[in-house]
Amino acid sequence: SSELTQDPAVSVALGQTVRITCQGDSLRSYYASWYQQKPGQAPVLVIYGKNNRPSGIPDRFSGSSSGNTASLTITGARAEDEADYHCKSRDSSGNQLVFGGGTKLTVL
Amino acid sequence: QVQIVQSGAEVKKPGASVKVSCTASGYTFSNYAMHWVRQAPGQRLEWMGWINADNGNTKYSQNFQGRVTITRDTSASTAYMELSSLRSEDTAVYYCARSKRYYDSSGNLLLDVWGKGTTVTVSS
Repeated sequence: SSELTQDPAVSVALGQTVRITCQGDSLRSYYASWYQQKPGQAPVLVIYGKNNRPSGIPDRFSGSSSGNTASLTITGARAEDEADYHCKSRDSSGNQLVFGGGTKLTVL
Repeated sequence: QVQIVQSGAEVKKPGASVKVSCTASGYTFSNYAMHWVRQAPGQRLEWMGWINADNGNTKYSQNFQGRVTITRDTSASTAYMELSSLRSEDTAVYYCARSKRYYDSSGNLLLDVWGKGTTVTVSS
């Protein structure tokens, strides 16, 4: 399958650690990248590759991958981390980009 | 600073076409590629295709093959996305986003700068 699957919603208590996952067959071949999207705004790249952060992204964001699952971890979640998180990778053919369904993160 | 400015909202009737533009500034347009991604209400982000701004080569999502055309005007640092035979399901926010022209060492095309989005409404 070329699809990427994410849990629709996840919640975390303020200051705690949360992991958001993304599953798909293509993740055995290609790394995922992760995008944060707040309401009414465009997505922002937060994690890419094995575990890389663009300039300006806090180090509480980290990434990992195992088998067909990629994960985004937020260590010490803050209120401003409340957003939708989308994973992205290539499909199994390598020719198309695909997004996961997105995970809505609520910080309690 | 690096930014991408998209054209304004559009309202179209079913069967019509729409052409959305994004104008880049703050970087050398032809050194990068431009992608188009859409998001229908309550739906996932959906990649539509991309253009190498240097040579104009394009690749389209199979989901839009035959209906979408992506072009660029390097003199204006602008990329365009035209979607034809519009239907109500094409109502969405359409984003353009920059990437490098080639896959990186991790096999990815990273969308590192995004426009703010253009709302396209298809309604009779």
